[in-house]
Amino acid sequence: AQTVTQSQPEMSVQEAETVTLSCTYDTSESDYYLFWYKQPPSRQMILVIRQEAYKQQNATENRFSVNFQKAAKSFSLKISDSQLGDAAMYFCAYRGIQGAQKLVFGQGTRLTINP
Amino acid sequence: DTGVSQNPRHKITKRGQNVTFRCDPISEHNRLYWYRQTLGQGPEFLTYFQNEAQLEKSRLLSDRFSAERPKGSFSTLEIQRTEQGDSAMYLCASSVTTGGFGETQYFGPGTRLLVL
Repeated sequence: AQTVTQSQPEMSVQEAETVTLSCTYDTSESDYYLFWYKQPPSRQMILVIRQEAYKQQNATENRFSVNFQKAAKSFSLKISDSQLGDAAMYFCAYRGIQGAQKLVFGQGTRLTINP
Repeated sequence: DTGVSQNPRHKITKRGQNVTFRCDPISEHNRLYWYRQTLGQGPEFLTYFQNEAQLEKSRLLSDRFSAERPKGSFSTLEIQRTEQGDSAMYLCASSVTTGGFGETQYFGPGTRLLVL
């Protein structure tokens, strides 16, 4: 079974600075997707960025980018120019390509932005 | 596109009572997922529908849980004889089969259940 591990329960960063959230996963599959979701307090989960395992190029979405290391099974999220609105729980998630294609989530990292 | 909606948003019940939650997916999304999220944890998969067919259930889904998706539109999740351990946020997500690998699951706001 696939597992996702986020080893940083909490992180904090100064506004306008850069922060990196870590994620590792375990799988025997060669093709899969990886995601970062953001869950603000009392609000619904929204997709931040996704990465296809077959693509070597790291995904970027505006201030958000990933460092995907397939051999190391590592998938970190970098947030540049942090803004107060980035404060949230961030979840790393894995999705296979077979069957239900359900998401397997990590435990989450709570990100605090200090003004 | 109004997004995934869930009702009710909050539910408080007494142990032993039955509760039912509803999820309305994004229109035309043929896949629907239920997840459960306990405090401070990531969501865990419960069950999955493709159209009206329930194709996979997690071992987390005990016999007290049942889910339906009549006509492949909205879905309901019922918990019978609730227990305090059922207290959690129940999340619904939907996606559309694109024929490739590029499906993204869109989440609803969740139903927070508290069993007293």
